Amino acid sequence: AQSVTQLDSQVPVFEEAPVELRCNYSSSVSVYLFWYVQYPNQGLQLLLKYLSGSTLVKGINGFEAEFNKSQTSFHLRKPSVHISDTAEYFCAVSGGGTSYGKLTFGQGTILTVHP
Amino acid sequence: DGGITQSPKYLFRKEGQNVTLSCEQNLNHDAMYWYRQDPGQGLRLIYYSQIVNDFQKGDIAEGYSVSREKKESFPLTVTSAQKNPTAFYLCASVRETQYFGPGTRLLVL
Repeated sequence: AQSVTQLDSQVPVFEEAPVELRCNYSSSVSVYLFWYVQYPNQGLQLLLKYLSGSTLVKGINGFEAEFNKSQTSFHLRKPSVHISDTAEYFCAVSGGGTSYGKLTFGQGTILTVHP
Repeated sequence: DGGITQSPKYLFRKEGQNVTLSCEQNLNHDAMYWYRQDPGQGLRLIYYSQIVNDFQKGDIAEGYSVSREKKESFPLTVTSAQKNPTAFYLCASVRETQYFGPGTRLLVL
């Protein structure tokens, strides 16, 4: 069984400040890791994903995440946020093979960027 | 334009009524998924289908049913047995990455 814990339900930050959204996971098998963003009343958009290879993954909109196997973490970072980054962010994990598409999500982190 | 469409955007259900949420994709993906989203709980998997005419229960399948008669379509029926149906429902399809539709918000009258 897999589980995902997003350690902060809400993160307020000022515009142009750096931000880190924390995600820890547990799994008995190798995993694939994802970060999605959701704007109000919309579907989810993929920010980035880790499948294999380099542990530092770069995504869209200037976001990046680092896979840390020993700490079972996949924290999302952005060096300088904009007002438009205000949204809810979800960390998700899936297994391989036929389980690849079955995502287990964290509870979400609401990022609010203040001017 | 390739993508996933969900309709309607808002749906109202009366007590004891079954309602069906539509999900269509033109991405030629084999696998499709239905998730339910409640505030503060993330998304939870209801049903999924990896091929036409086959589907499996997810984590919260009770009170829901699906069909997969065509590759591009995966409708979800919320039955009267689902006692707390108010939620945001998201459909997705996957090949290398999951693509999500815009969602349907279901409200109970």
